Amino acid sequence: DTEVTQTPKHLVMGMTNKKSLKCEQHMGHRAMYWYKQKAKKPPELMFVYSYEKLSINESVPSRFSPECPNSSLLNLHLHALQPEDSALYLCASSLRGGGTGSSYEQYFGPGTRLTVT
Amino acid sequence: AQKITQTQPGMFVQEKEAVTLDCTYDTSDQSYGLFWYKQPSSGEMIFLIYQGSYDEQNATEGRYSLNFQKARKSANLVISASQLGDSAMYFCAMRAPTNAGKSTFGDGTTLTVKP
Repeated sequence: DTEVTQTPKHLVMGMTNKKSLKCEQHMGHRAMYWYKQKAKKPPELMFVYSYEKLSINESVPSRFSPECPNSSLLNLHLHALQPEDSALYLCASSLRGGGTGSSYEQYFGPGTRLTVT
Repeated sequence: AQKITQTQPGMFVQEKEAVTLDCTYDTSDQSYGLFWYKQPSSGEMIFLIYQGSYDEQNATEGRYSLNFQKARKSANLVISASQLGDSAMYFCAMRAPTNAGKSTFGDGTTLTVKP
């Protein structure tokens, strides 16, 4: 199983709503990532979890709150978002974090297209 | 700091022909990994091919090959026998020890395959 799943595929939320994005992998990977991607731009790293601990936070606003309940699951809790937060949110996983070899290739999920109204 | 440069915002290729997507990189690390990803309009990023900085041979994966020229710091992706399904955005990325845990991405190249 080389799949990363993400739910929901699409999400429309108001600026006062609270919602969560979910990501799951069953490849035994111990590093998981959240990226934000605007149209026709490269993905921007938001958070990295390594062995279920937050290892990188790229100065993301607190209205985004990540959570890693176990080694297979990654959540992104959303609260009081702004319209400029509308984007494709990609989850990825890799065998481990921090390496440069081929086993550190990232497997990406299909993404959640978020629209904030 | 690491930097990836993809100078071709858009490329066109005729079906069944080969195409080269350019990627140059900058890093002071001696050990690093270079990756190419494909992103169709559906959004999912698909890993295509990997080249390690110490690999002596160019990487190949099916119709994909990587033309690695270390001295020139270039890692161009070659797609042979293009297919309509190859139309997508292509990103070159790098991982290096001084940027541990992070991939540096280029701005991407949009490839359109014409029938």
